[in-house]
Formats: sequence, structure tokens, C-alpha cells
Amino acid sequence: EAGVAQSPRYKIIEKRQSVAFWCNPISGHATLYWYQQILGQGPKLLIQFQNNGVVDDSQLPKDRFSAERLKGVDSTLKIQPAKLEDSAVYLCASSLVPGISTDTQYFGPGTRLTVL
Amino acid sequence: GESVGLHLPTLSVQEGDNSIINCAYSNSASDYFIWYKQESGKGPQFIIDIRSNMDKRQGQRVTVLLNKTVKHLSLQIAATQPGDSAVYFCAATGGGNKLTFGTGTQLKVEL
Repeated sequence: EAGVAQSPRYKIIEKRQSVAFWCNPISGHATLYWYQQILGQGPKLLIQFQNNGVVDDSQLPKDRFSAERLKGVDSTLKIQPAKLEDSAVYLCASSLVPGISTDTQYFGPGTRLTVL
Repeated sequence: GESVGLHLPTLSVQEGDNSIINCAYSNSASDYFIWYKQESGKGPQFIIDIRSNMDKRQGQRVTVLLNKTVKHLSLQIAATQPGDSAVYFCAATGGGNKLTFGTGTQLKVEL
């Protein structure tokens, strides 16, 4: 079974530029998550989708971050404009059963963003 | 909200010894706990989980212990191998599948 796919793996941009990340979850997984992992810290949830609807975006900086999952499968996360403090690894995860707290989340390899 | 913390940022063990990584959580309503392993350049990898109605669960070479009284859980790795070197995160959820991660413990296996 293929895992969660993410691209690109690395991205370097200058502050105030925009950037987009792509995620393809495991086939059939209803729930998709975007996390931000700053160096030396654990992942922090940015947004959670169930199918193509947003379940939780309470920690998403909505003035600069946006995410969509239009067809309920793959998803994009965008940052515009980027700030230095956005430098982090952006992880995508998916889980099979929506709304179940014990459903395992499977993570992709992440996109490492460096903002100069 | 939930906060999750690991007791030690770094743990060094000799190959073949047992490793114990500890974690504390704050929310007594948390009902599901997971340990993830993260190798350099990779995403977190599921190791083992435990529900709040259990106090112990065993996997292959790994055991998770949950003490709800003191809001503490631990990950035990038997016969630690060089391939176990990674950062280990505990995570807790209190419903709706929202995970709160701790800061991670770097496990270093010395030959």
C-alpha cells in the first residue's frame, strides 16, 4: 500500500514570497491533516479536513496560510506571504475513519521550507 | 487545552540494553495515546498506541505503560538496536482525533 505522498521535499524562498505544498493521502483515507514542525519541536496541527470539509483550522494563521481539499482526495497548503518564522517542516497525515479519536494517523515525509 | 511533555530531551543507551522514554500529559480527559518514531528527514512513524481503558500494551520489542493517576506514560524498547536511534514523540488525543504532540526525546544508541 502506498503511503502519504508530499511534494516538493525541499523549498527555499525569500520572505514575502509565496509557496505551495501538495499532499496525496493514502487511498481511501477520509481525513487529512497538515502539521507544522519547527526544528526541535513536535508537530503542531494546522488544519484537519474530513473529506473536503474543514473540521479544525483553529491553529492556522489565516492571514497568510490557506489550504484546500477540493475533491476530498489530495490537498494543497499555501503560504502567502512567507515570514522567516515559517521556516519548518510541513507534514501531511491521513487517517481512514473520520471523527474517531483512536484512528491512526499516517504521516508523509514532509516538505522542509526555508525562508531567507 | 492539552499539553504533552517528555521528561528528557536526549537519552543515550548501549546497544542491547533496554530503553525507557517517559512522557507526561495534562488533560485527564485524554483517551488515546500514541508513540511515534521520527528518523532524520522522515515523517513520524507509528510505533504503538494505547487507549485510556488499558494500562499496558505490548508490541514487538516495545511496551507502552499508561498511569492515568499521575497522567504519565512510558515507552519501553527491549534490546535496543542501532536502528532504534531516532526522535520519539508521545501524542495524546481527547476526542475528534486531534493529536497534541510532545517535544520529543532523541534516543542515541551507542555501540
